[in-house]
Amino acid sequence: SYVLTQPPSVSVAPGQTARITCGGNNVGTKGIHWYQQKPGQAPVLVVYDDTDRPSGIPERFSGAKSGNTATLTISRVEAGDEADYYCQVWDTSSGHLYIFGNGTKVSV
Amino acid sequence: QVQLQESGPGLVKPSETLSLTCTVSGGSLNNHYWSWIRQPPGGGLEWIGYIYYKGSRNYNPSLKSRLTVSIDTSKNQFFLRLNSVSSADTAVYYCAREGDGGGWFDIWGQGALVTVSS
Repeated sequence: SYVLTQPPSVSVAPGQTARITCGGNNVGTKGIHWYQQKPGQAPVLVVYDDTDRPSGIPERFSGAKSGNTATLTISRVEAGDEADYYCQVWDTSSGHLYIFGNGTKVSV
Repeated sequence: QVQLQESGPGLVKPSETLSLTCTVSGGSLNNHYWSWIRQPPGGGLEWIGYIYYKGSRNYNPSLKSRLTVSIDTSKNQFFLRLNSVSSADTAVYYCAREGDGGGWFDIWGQGALVTVSS
């Protein structure tokens, strides 16, 4: 089955830049989506289709992809950005399944 | 704006059936795929299955043998039934809408904790 791999944790100082990676086979051919989840809350979509932001998501959140690795970048990190972040794909090669990465805890 | 709300028993006995309802308000079920996703305590997200508003379904292979997802467009609701539950099914269960057919989830319910215990 398809697997997306993220680092378990990332630590960043306020005002600095956090980068969260997401790797998997043929990531370059799939749309990557990113979610932010704060404790006790439902996930919130912050980036879709590799680089697009839903309305209301700050420009500080940006997505990129190179080869088989996607990256979520959070610029000018704020205390309120402390959360778990998950990447996700829709894998049509294995029966149209939705696959989530293992999640990355961002500590500020 | 569209909102989703999960409802159902918070405690289910082992070997019994877990049943949840997702009620959609502020919009209709039309033209979207509707999913169930779960998260065990301290764990990550796992997609369970989806149903299209016209009734077609797709399930996570790891749960397929125990799973039924159904829909009632007249009530703006869709449903989850998971049979023969065990403690491994203890989780927060979310319902979610797939946005624009692009494979991402743009709207989520607040989640419902279901504990499997005798």
